[in-house]
Amino acid sequence: GQNIDQPTEMTATEGAIVQINCTYQTSGFNGLFWYQQHAGEAPTFLSYNVLDGLEEKGRFSSFLSRSKGYSYLLLKELQMKDSASYLCAVRDGDYKLSFGAGTTVTVRA
Amino acid sequence: ETGVTQTPRHLVMGMTNKKSLKCEQHLGHNAMYWYKQSAKKPLELMFVYSLEERVENNSVPSRFSPECPNSSHLFLHLHTLQPEDSALYLCASSQAASEGGYTFGSGTRLTVV
Repeated sequence: GQNIDQPTEMTATEGAIVQINCTYQTSGFNGLFWYQQHAGEAPTFLSYNVLDGLEEKGRFSSFLSRSKGYSYLLLKELQMKDSASYLCAVRDGDYKLSFGAGTTVTVRA
Repeated sequence: ETGVTQTPRHLVMGMTNKKSLKCEQHLGHNAMYWYKQSAKKPLELMFVYSLEERVENNSVPSRFSPECPNSSHLFLHLHTLQPEDSALYLCASSQAASEGGYTFGSGTRLTVV
């Protein structure tokens, strides 16, 4: 089966940095994704990792270690609009994404 | 506009009703999906269609019946649902094995009374 764990909630101050960890145990691996979901809206794609290392995209970075079954999403220079749920997902094969329960990030002024 | 459109956005139905959810994508993707999202729980994969053929059915009760008439459209037909089926139903599409992952629709918030 698939097991993807991430913290339930995190709180940080505007302008700060927050790191959301994700650990996974899956039967197959063909990439790890991070999505952002604001309340009442669709999840939107943030990042993709398939090889070990860091991928940087502006204020957001994502890291992967396949041997450790571990990823993190780093959010820098936090803004109020970054308050949302962040979903870690692992792809098994060509299609299927298995998701963690999501981490709700609250940014305070 | 996410490229994946779902209708209706909200649906309230009784346990004896029959209704359908619709999903449409114009991204040229070759796979489409139905997911169920309940509060504080991971997204649950329900069905996967690749090139209009169902490739995965994740032990979903028969009261949920998917239909994929072509590569751009996906339906979820609902009948004799239970209150525990109340949730957000998300449609997504993707190009198989791509780096872009899924594109999600905005979902249908379903309430079964």
